[in-house]
Amino acid sequence: DTEVTQTPKHLVMGMTNKKSLKCEQHMGHRAMYWYKQKAKKPPELMFVYSYEKLSINESVPSRFSPECPNSSLLNLHLHALQPEDSALYLCASSRGQNAYEQYFGPGTRLTVT
Amino acid sequence: GDSVTQMEGPVTLSEEAFLTINCTYTATGYPSLFWYVQYPGEGLQLLLKATKADDKGSNKGFEATYRKETTSFHLEKGSVQVSDSAVYFCARGTSGGSNYKLTFGKGTLLTVNP
Repeated sequence: DTEVTQTPKHLVMGMTNKKSLKCEQHMGHRAMYWYKQKAKKPPELMFVYSYEKLSINESVPSRFSPECPNSSLLNLHLHALQPEDSALYLCASSRGQNAYEQYFGPGTRLTVT
Repeated sequence: GDSVTQMEGPVTLSEEAFLTINCTYTATGYPSLFWYVQYPGEGLQLLLKATKADDKGSNKGFEATYRKETTSFHLEKGSVQVSDSAVYFCARGTSGGSNYKLTFGKGTLLTVNP
């Protein structure tokens, strides 16, 4: 099973809302990632968790708050977002953080109104 | 810093044509190299990888060879199908340890016409 699942598939939220994106993998991977992808652009790394500890934060605004409750789950908590945060949010996982291929989920299409 | 340069396209081909998408990387260290494919409305799928010089990655008729002397990892397919229409991303791994991450090229949109 090489599947990474993400929920919800689509999300529309207002600028004052609080919502969460969820990601799950059951491949025994110990590294998990959040990416943001705008249309016609490559994915931009936001956060990396390695063994459930935050390893990389690419200077992401604090309105995005990641959480890794256990080795299979990764959440992204959203609060007070801006319209420019509308994008496809991709989760990925890999066996470890170093040099391994990453497996991506289908993404959550987020629209901020 | 680490970077990847790939032909941006778009590339439009007829079915059964030969495909080449060029990709070059900065020669920092000995990175792992990857090709990912993204179909419309979906996430990225790993297409193939190579972890050292002269390795050839292959999958679904696609191939790419890790060329250290030219710092290239060009994607090829001998006969494309309509179903190959997608965006293709070349990527390299950066430095190791806790700072390791993927650097992506800008992506190449491929359209295959019947």
